[in-house]
Amino acid sequence: ELKVEQNPLFLSMQEGKNYTIYCNYSTTSDRLYWYRQDPGKSLESLFVLLSNGAVKQEGRLMASLDTKARLSTLHITAAVHDLSATYFCAVLYLDTDKLIFGTGTRLQVFP
Amino acid sequence: EPEVTQTPSHQVTQMGQEVILRCVPISNHLYFYWYRQILGQKVEFLVSFYNNEISEKSEIFDDQFSVERPDGSNFTLKIRSTKLEDSAMYFCASCYPGGSGSSDTEAFFGQGTRLTVV
Repeated sequence: ELKVEQNPLFLSMQEGKNYTIYCNYSTTSDRLYWYRQDPGKSLESLFVLLSNGAVKQEGRLMASLDTKARLSTLHITAAVHDLSATYFCAVLYLDTDKLIFGTGTRLQVFP
Repeated sequence: EPEVTQTPSHQVTQMGQEVILRCVPISNHLYFYWYRQILGQKVEFLVSFYNNEISEKSEIFDDQFSVERPDGSNFTLKIRSTKLEDSAMYFCASCYPGGSGSSDTEAFFGQGTRLTVV
């Protein structure tokens, strides 16, 4: 069964702090995505990770992929309030044409 | 910038009625998806569509659901007889997977249709 798990499910952090969100998946994948979702809104693409060791950075967010461990991380550096949202990882399996989402991590950044 | 467009943004329907949710994927994309998200919960896969046919569907996608690509541009999700538990946000997505390591690999999502069944 294809499973994608994230932890933590909920993260409350102070501005200026660093933290990492983890995404584990059960079966070898073709590629991995990170999305951001604001309340009541759609899914905004943040990163696409294609290969082992891939690392991408945009502002205070950095995503990495370890295909051998079936693990991706989303690292938050010096958090600011604007980063408050729910973050999802999603794994694409081309042989089954499925894009499976993780459980989501709700991030709240407070002053 | 190309985008996935969904209509309507909000649909209210009575239980037992049929609804059709519409999506216009990005024009050169090959894979199309429908997802649903019950308020505050995870994004659930419903169905994927490739080469004018369903390629994969989930347990949620039972006989009450169907998808069509009637004219080569629109991609629709029909729910034949809506139930209260069908109330959710429905997202359409499209993707051009490209080859291994290709940069054309993003899956783009529409803004969603909020379906409320009363």
